[in-house]
Amino acid sequence: SQTIHQWPATLVQPVGSPLSLECTVEGTSNPNLYWYRQAAGRGLQLLFYSVGIGQISSEVPQNLSASRPQDRQFILSSKKLLLSDSGFYLCAWSVGSHTGELFFGEGSRLTVL
Amino acid sequence: GQNIDQPTEMTATEGAIVQINCTYQTSGFNGLFWYQQHAGEAPTFLSYNVLDGLEEKGRFSSFLSRSKGYSYLLLKELQMKDSASYLCAVHRDDKIIFGKGTRLHILP
Repeated sequence: SQTIHQWPATLVQPVGSPLSLECTVEGTSNPNLYWYRQAAGRGLQLLFYSVGIGQISSEVPQNLSASRPQDRQFILSSKKLLLSDSGFYLCAWSVGSHTGELFFGEGSRLTVL
Repeated sequence: GQNIDQPTEMTATEGAIVQINCTYQTSGFNGLFWYQQHAGEAPTFLSYNVLDGLEEKGRFSSFLSRSKGYSYLLLKELQMKDSASYLCAVHRDDKIIFGKGTRLHILP
């Protein structure tokens, strides 16, 4: 069966510090991978998605970046965090581009102070 | 671009029926999802509509009209555990774009 894991689960970071959130998927090949952010009281905002190794599409201009060094690994990074980067970050995967359903990781709660 | 609208909050009574509406405007439409999200948790899948019409799954049903850009989620026999946010999401090309969600409060 397929599983998705992301870590760390919670993170408290000072403004200006770097960030790395990691997500891995097991039990499937060539998944579509996604990073979403949910700020307090707001909807899920799509940040990045990837349909293959090294292929990253960015949805929103920001100081975050994403990388996909392996087929089932998706990393969200920042060189210098802003206060506005605080939120609940969710990694997700789906099979192909037309079958749809998203499977979410447990989420990473980031607080920038 | 895309525009997805759903009410911010709704309140209903335990045992009753509630309908949560979602309207959308987008190109490259493949289908429409409904997800449930309890506070502090990741969303969980409820339904995926590709064709027009109503799909029923236990106490939950979802309806889609592609020509009208309209969907609704119908929850019957409401239970306290149904208190959550309900997210409408459009499946477009390789992307799944979420609305802001409807927070549903269930009163005893």
